Amino acid sequence: EAQVTQNPRYLITVTGKKLTVTCSQNMNHEYMSWYRQDPGLGLRQIYYSMNVEVTDKGDVPEGYKVSRKEKRNFPLILESPSPNQTSLYFCASGVWGTDTQYFGPGTRLTVL
Amino acid sequence: DQQVKQNSPSLSVQEGRISILNCDYTNSMFDYFLWYKKYPAEGPTFLISISSIKDKNEDGRFTVFLNKSAKHLSLHIVPSQPGDSAVYFCAASVSNNAGNMLTFGGGTRLMVKP
Repeated sequence: EAQVTQNPRYLITVTGKKLTVTCSQNMNHEYMSWYRQDPGLGLRQIYYSMNVEVTDKGDVPEGYKVSRKEKRNFPLILESPSPNQTSLYFCASGVWGTDTQYFGPGTRLTVL
Repeated sequence: DQQVKQNSPSLSVQEGRISILNCDYTNSMFDYFLWYKKYPAEGPTFLISISSIKDKNEDGRFTVFLNKSAKHLSLHIVPSQPGDSAVYFCAASVSNNAGNMLTFGGGTRLMVKP
């Protein structure tokens, strides 16, 4: 089954404790992206990747890091999480040059 | 400043009637528009799209209309069904701009009452 998976689905952590949210897709998509969803703001792009070893900032990259060492994986790293990073995070993938993206199920992160 | 806005956070419609969800944008460079549907505890799923060279695109019960001069698009669902109850996001992109970058609106929660 073609899908985008994220882990964990739920995470409660404390300020400053480094964490990684994994994202994996099995559709051989070149493009992958991370979004955060906050009430009234829709989905805002954090980082995206056009292919292996090619990443770039989205609209709200501060406090986040990403890596793209393999085509299928695109982890999101929070080196020192803060309460304002409490949000619902979505990973997405797509075929390069097309606009339809396939989203993972989301990771709800709470930073205390 | 949000470049894509959905000014109605929620909409309630009776089953069988038409649902109209609206979206406005400010960036005249946007030339491709999409609607995504999101159920609770799931990621958004693609619903329908339209290119700026068209003013209407239809797929079954779903029709998207684009008014470029007004920088406005709308999604019509006819007839509405209870299973359509979800949050709907409109999104826009610029061709030739990093291929896949989408700008999303804030979402409209649609509730279809039986």
